[in-house]
Amino acid sequence: DIVMTQSPDFLAVSLGERATINCKSSQSVLYSSNNKNYLAWYQQKPGQPPKLLIYWASTRESGVPARFSGSGSGTDFTLTISSLQAEDVAVYYCHQYYSPPHTFGQGTKLEI
Amino acid sequence: QVQLQESGPGLVKPSETLSLTCTVSGASIKSYFWSWVRQPPGKGLEWIGYIYYGGTTSYNPSLRSRVTISLDWSKSQFSLNLNSVTAADTAVYYCAKDRPSNYWGQGMLVTVSS
Repeated sequence: DIVMTQSPDFLAVSLGERATINCKSSQSVLYSSNNKNYLAWYQQKPGQPPKLLIYWASTRESGVPARFSGSGSGTDFTLTISSLQAEDVAVYYCHQYYSPPHTFGQGTKLEI
Repeated sequence: QVQLQESGPGLVKPSETLSLTCTVSGASIKSYFWSWVRQPPGKGLEWIGYIYYGGTTSYNPSLRSRVTISLDWSKSQFSLNLNSVTAADTAVYYCAKDRPSNYWGQGMLVTVSS
């Protein structure tokens, strides 16, 4: 199985400041034939299902605010929220869909 | 718009079979991957498996001996069966569309208890 490890587990950021969450996979999730990283980021608020923010490591899902961005390749990835808003308080998960089982990181709880 | 809705018993006895159905509207079940993901109370997300129209399935090895995902295209539904459940299978179970999943059901809490 590909193990996904996020850091930090908890993150407190002031409103308007930048938030950065890291994700490391135990093996590469870059598929060489199409040069795509099979890495997604989800946001989950209490009592709600996860919401897809980013896929292919850096492509924003339709309707996701531009303050959310993803970067990285191979085994190291980052989710950045450029200017934290109150509604961004949530748990964030990275997720690899390169090979089954499609594993998730343990989650990063983002607070203000 | 695309909607998914889980249904089934919210309480299952130990050693019995957990059975859930996901009803899909707004998207053709003859396309896409259709997945199940679960989340124990207060914990993270665990991928259970997926099915693709035509019968292709993939399961989490940790559950493979106990899990079956099937698809009923005539009803636009797909289902999860997990047998020989224990308290460790207590979780919110989500159904989801595609890979990665861009549409999710609201989730259903299933408690395993006698």
